[in-house]
Amino acid sequence: GIQVEQSPPDLILQEGANSTLRCNFSDSVNNLQWFHQNPWGQLINLFYIPSGTKQNGRLSATTVATERYSLLYISSSQTTDSGVYFCAVATGAVIKAAGNKLTFGGGTRVLVKP
Amino acid sequence: DSGVTQTPKHLITATGQRVTLRCSPRSGDLSVYWYQQSLDQGLQFLIQYYNGEERAKGNILERFSAQQFPDLHSELNLSSLELGDSALYFCASSVREANTGELFFGEGSRLTVL
Repeated sequence: GIQVEQSPPDLILQEGANSTLRCNFSDSVNNLQWFHQNPWGQLINLFYIPSGTKQNGRLSATTVATERYSLLYISSSQTTDSGVYFCAVATGAVIKAAGNKLTFGGGTRVLVKP
Repeated sequence: DSGVTQTPKHLITATGQRVTLRCSPRSGDLSVYWYQQSLDQGLQFLIQYYNGEERAKGNILERFSAQQFPDLHSELNLSSLELGDSALYFCASSVREANTGELFFGEGSRLTVL
């Protein structure tokens, strides 16, 4: 099956700093999503971005599908940005037997210090 | 609020017992997915249903079973529980198509097996 690798595994930031999280995947995808898992365990949708660039406040994401990677940018980080960021991909339109299941990367654990 | 409802939020039970987790998808969503998040395995896809039919299967144990009912809610049944089944179980839903679309996750059901 498809492999999803995220880097770095851990990131410690000072409040106000900027950062870039990376997601590499091993095959063509029709779905790529970024999630934030907060300390209470909730998975919050950040971006649905199988290709292109999107921005939402201090967060933005870019997916270059032809080169099989996606980047998540966090600018002016805040303590509330702490948690684990997951990239997840699906190949459903490419391999129909796969359904639309998302395969998750291992996550990047982010700690923003005040 | 993602619109996906899961019950119960927390569940503590003993080894050998059986539990049922319930999921109501977002209004209009036809696909339901179940995921397991444990400390050592990360987020693992278990099974997908689309409009009442099984669509894709992941690493779901034979002791586990699921179904999607005509009103589109889904249940995940876990039997002969073992300590290793302790995990956060997520349900997700997506719109219309079986093989495309953004997934939205519920808040999860945290299962503790003692």
